[in-house]
Amino acid sequence: AQSVAQPEDQVNVAEGNPLTVKCTYSVSGNPYLFWYVQYPNRGLQFLLKYITGDNLVKGSYGFEAEFNKSQTSFHLKKPSALVSDSALYFCAVRDPLTGGFKTIFGAGTRLFVKA
Amino acid sequence: EPEVTQTPSHQVTQMGQEVILRCVPISNHLYFYWYRQILGQKVEFLVSFYNNEISEKSEIFDDQFSVERPDGSNFTLKIRSTKLEDSAMYFCASSEEAQGKYNEQFFGPGTRLTVL
Repeated sequence: AQSVAQPEDQVNVAEGNPLTVKCTYSVSGNPYLFWYVQYPNRGLQFLLKYITGDNLVKGSYGFEAEFNKSQTSFHLKKPSALVSDSALYFCAVRDPLTGGFKTIFGAGTRLFVKA
Repeated sequence: EPEVTQTPSHQVTQMGQEVILRCVPISNHLYFYWYRQILGQKVEFLVSFYNNEISEKSEIFDDQFSVERPDGSNFTLKIRSTKLEDSAMYFCASSEEAQGKYNEQFFGPGTRLTVL
């Protein structure tokens, strides 16, 4: 069965420091991986995705993520955090072998960036 | 920039009543979805809809739930005989899927359903 794990409920980082939000997944086939961000009282906003190709994908607002097949991970990274990056981040996976429409979300990681 | 809209933003209903949650997807999108997020829990897939029919649904999406695209712009989720445990934030999403089935989804702001 498909699953996504975000092992950290919360990540704290100082402004200007690099940040990493961790994600691991489990699917039966080649995964399609996504990161979304949720600000208070808003819907989820797409950040980036990995479908195929380069393992390092770049997305919105300076975020990037690295697909690691051997470790089944897709960690979200940013070289220099901003206070405005503080939000709830969700990793998500779609498995083409099961039809591909169903998106499974992780539990979310709350990022706090301190000035 | 086009966006997904949802109405109402907050719906309060009595247990056993029927509710209809409404969504207007982005106009050129072809795939539509409903998700729910119970307070403090993860976002859960309910159903996907394409070409006027359900393409995939989760085990949560039982006979209590139905979806419809009544007029070519709205996409609705009907919950019959609501239960206390249906209280959640319900998100609508749409995607263009021009490159296949794996494009990103655009989410609406959600409807908070409270069942009393």
